Amino acid sequence: DGGITQSPKYLFRKEGQNVTLSCEQNLNHDAMYWYRQDPGQGLRLIYYSQIVNDFQKGDIAEGYSVSREKKESFPLTVTSAQKNPTAFYLCASSIGGRLPEKLFFGSGTQLSVL
Amino acid sequence: AQTVTQSQPEMSVQEAETVTLSCTYDTSESNYYLFWYKQPPSRQMILVIRQEAYKQQNATENRFSVNFQKAAKSFSLKISDSQLGDTAMYFCAFSSLRSNYQLIWGAGTKLIIKP
Repeated sequence: DGGITQSPKYLFRKEGQNVTLSCEQNLNHDAMYWYRQDPGQGLRLIYYSQIVNDFQKGDIAEGYSVSREKKESFPLTVTSAQKNPTAFYLCASSIGGRLPEKLFFGSGTQLSVL
Repeated sequence: AQTVTQSQPEMSVQEAETVTLSCTYDTSESNYYLFWYKQPPSRQMILVIRQEAYKQQNATENRFSVNFQKAAKSFSLKISDSQLGDTAMYFCAFSSLRSNYQLIWGAGTKLIIKP
């Protein structure tokens, strides 16, 4: 079945540690996104990529980094510079193009600080 | 700044009833896109319905329909014959050229369908 796979489901980060969240899609979508979800708030865009080897910062990119070396993969690294990383992280993809199309989401990763 | 407001943090209705979730937004643009997404307890977000502002006709998807009032900047979601599986968080989202067509999300409404 086509879809988006996020791993791990739960992740714990120690002080000063970088951690990487995985996101893989087999939908042949050009665009991929990372969102952060905090309780009582809407989703906030961290980074997005419209095409391989290119990505743009979203509203809350500070303390995060991404890469897009392959069409199907868009990993997110939460660096030690992100002082409040505890949140639920959602990866999404879409066909791409200029206009907003349907987003397909993964099942998310819950990141907590030890 | 463009914003999306969902004024109902939580709602609950009996199974088979009709429920309406409200969403208002703020923009000075004339063309834009509006969405309702559902996040069930599994936490995987699913698109419910999509509306383009230049289309007069309200979008429908089976038991889900919207009441799009452009002048009032209102985009409510109506769920008819509600089912237990409709229990979820519902998020309203807005997209326009000014946001580079990235989605601006409301804070969500938690909907509980009671048996």
